[in-house]
Amino acid sequence: AQRVTQPEKLLSVFKGAPVELKCNYSYSGSPELFWYVQYSRQRLQLLLRHISRESIKGFTADLNKGETSFHLKKPFAQEEDSAMYYCALGSSGSARQLTFGSGTQLTVLP
Amino acid sequence: GAVVSQHPSWVICKSGTSVKIECRSLDFQATTMFWYRQFPKQSLMLMATSNEGSKATYEQGVEKDKFLINHASLTLSTLTVTSAHPEDSSFYICSARPSTGFEQYFGPGTRLTVT
Repeated sequence: AQRVTQPEKLLSVFKGAPVELKCNYSYSGSPELFWYVQYSRQRLQLLLRHISRESIKGFTADLNKGETSFHLKKPFAQEEDSAMYYCALGSSGSARQLTFGSGTQLTVLP
Repeated sequence: GAVVSQHPSWVICKSGTSVKIECRSLDFQATTMFWYRQFPKQSLMLMATSNEGSKATYEQGVEKDKFLINHASLTLSTLTVTSAHPEDSSFYICSARPSTGFEQYFGPGTRLTVT
């Protein structure tokens, strides 16, 4: 069975400080991993996908298959980064379903 | 960009009545749509996967007779909560996936309150 674990429900950092949101997964196949973000009163939107290895809004995430992790990082947090962040794992079946972690609420303090 | 709409955005209904929620992909064709349920301050729980023209696949523990899903076209899927009860009150979110790739585009959600 596939599972996504985000150990931190809440995370607060000061503006300009580095931030790391943790995500660990359990999956027997080759994982497809994503980070989604939900700003206050807005819909869920894709932030990053591991296969594209891109940096969006200064965020990066590296897939570590040895540690089965896909942590989200940003060197200098901004107040506008305050949001709910979800790590998601894609299944390899034809439906390509996503399994979401429980989410981490990030608050960037001024 | 790909946009998914949901209607209504919120609905209040009486216990025992049925409520239909629509999910539309506005500028792309979605062979697969997903329905999620989100409880306050919790993550999204996948309820069912619907493919255009075929029966929906429900996740374990989701009553298919209570949550009827119809994916009649490549741009529309509907979720009908039948004989709603207060415990069905929740935030229902749909997403749509184009025919290629993993990316899902999410709707804004529908807040259902059953009194």
